[in-house]
Amino acid sequence: NFMLTQPHSVSESPGKTVTISCTGSSGSIASNYVQWYQQRPGSAPTTVIYEDNERPSGVPDRFSGSIDSSSNSASLTISGLKTEDEADYYCQSYDGGNVVFGGGTKLTVL
Amino acid sequence: EVQLVESGGGLVQPGGSLRLSCAASGFTFSSHSMNWVRQAPGKGLEWVSFISSSSSTIYYADSVKGRFTISRDNAKNSLYLQMNSLRAEDTAVYYCARDNLEYYDFPDWFDPWGQGTLVTVSS
Repeated sequence: NFMLTQPHSVSESPGKTVTISCTGSSGSIASNYVQWYQQRPGSAPTTVIYEDNERPSGVPDRFSGSIDSSSNSASLTISGLKTEDEADYYCQSYDGGNVVFGGGTKLTVL
Repeated sequence: EVQLVESGGGLVQPGGSLRLSCAASGFTFSSHSMNWVRQAPGKGLEWVSFISSSSSTIYYADSVKGRFTISRDNAKNSLYLQMNSLRAEDTAVYYCARDNLEYYDFPDWFDPWGQGTLVTVSS
């Protein structure tokens, strides 16, 4: 079964840039779109990146997504970190009719 | 405003049943596929099931196949999840989430999500 692997946690200081990786277990991660969701404590997830690198309206351009076929991974980059970016981030893709989420990465902004 | 509101969660004994509902408003419900996603306490997101706009295509995660049934009533703008033979590991917050694309019979990206309803399976 297709799986997505994320680091358990990352931390960075306000104003800096952080990148969260999402590695596919098999096949090519570039074969299907990758999405990224932000989940703050006690809240439902919201989309910050869809279709690999697109931002929904209202999401600041500090958030960007990319695909690296050579490492079979997707990345979420957040620049100019703010304390409000502290949250859990999940990547998501699909394998036919099966939807797959990464295990989530806790971002700490300190 | 696009809104999804789940209901029907609660405490149920192992082996029991529960039916979740998701009321949709603010968009054309009948043109969007829908999903259920769950999150066990302190854990990550787990996709549960997908249903296309016309109910012609349905998918389930292996962990719930044969026990859960997804359905929808487009006339009532509502999505459902019938959960049977519940186990302790089914304890989670259950979210309904809209597929973004219209009239697309495969899972896409999810937006928006409801606020979730908690299901606790315990004796």
